Amino acid sequence: DGGITQSPKYLFRKEGQNVTLSCEQNLNHDAMYWYRQDPGQGLRLIYYSQIVNDFQKGDIAEGYSVSREKKESFPLTVTSAQKNPTAFYLCASSISFRSQNTEAFFGQGTRLTVV
Amino acid sequence: AQTVTQSQPEMSVQEAETVTLSCTYDTSENNYYLFWYKQPPSRQMILVIRQEAYKQQNATENRFSVNFQKAAKSFSLKISDSQLGDTAMYFCAFMKPRDSWGKLQFGAGTQVVVTP
Repeated sequence: DGGITQSPKYLFRKEGQNVTLSCEQNLNHDAMYWYRQDPGQGLRLIYYSQIVNDFQKGDIAEGYSVSREKKESFPLTVTSAQKNPTAFYLCASSISFRSQNTEAFFGQGTRLTVV
Repeated sequence: AQTVTQSQPEMSVQEAETVTLSCTYDTSENNYYLFWYKQPPSRQMILVIRQEAYKQQNATENRFSVNFQKAAKSFSLKISDSQLGDTAMYFCAFMKPRDSWGKLQFGAGTQVVVTP
């Protein structure tokens, strides 16, 4: 079945370590996104990519990095510069903005806990 | 920048009853898209309903309908005949027309609890 796969579902890391969250999609979507979800704040956009080898910062990009070397994959690295990395991270994908009557599809998320 | 405000952190409704969730937004754009997403305990985000700002007719999807008031920048969601499976966090979201479909501005969410 087509969809978005995020792994792992739960991730624990020590403070000061970098960690990479995986996001893979087999929907043949051009665009991919990373969101952070905190209690009481909804979802906030970290980074997005509309095409391979190109990506843009979202609203809260500081302390994060991404790459888009393949259409199917958009990994997110949470670096040690991120001051409060414990959160729920959601990946999404969509057809390009020029398409009509479509929607974004979301993965099931990764819960990152930094201890 | 756009802001989306959901002023109701939590709402409780009995099965078969109706509940209305409020959402207001601030934008200088004339054309845009508005969405309601549902996030059940599984945390999977599911699109409930979509409204295009240039369409005056309110969108409906089965038991879900919206009241879109463009001048007031208001976009409320009505859930009719509530079911236990409707228990979830509901997010209102805004998208500019030149943006891609996943580049969304979300509100803080409203937790809906449906009780037997």
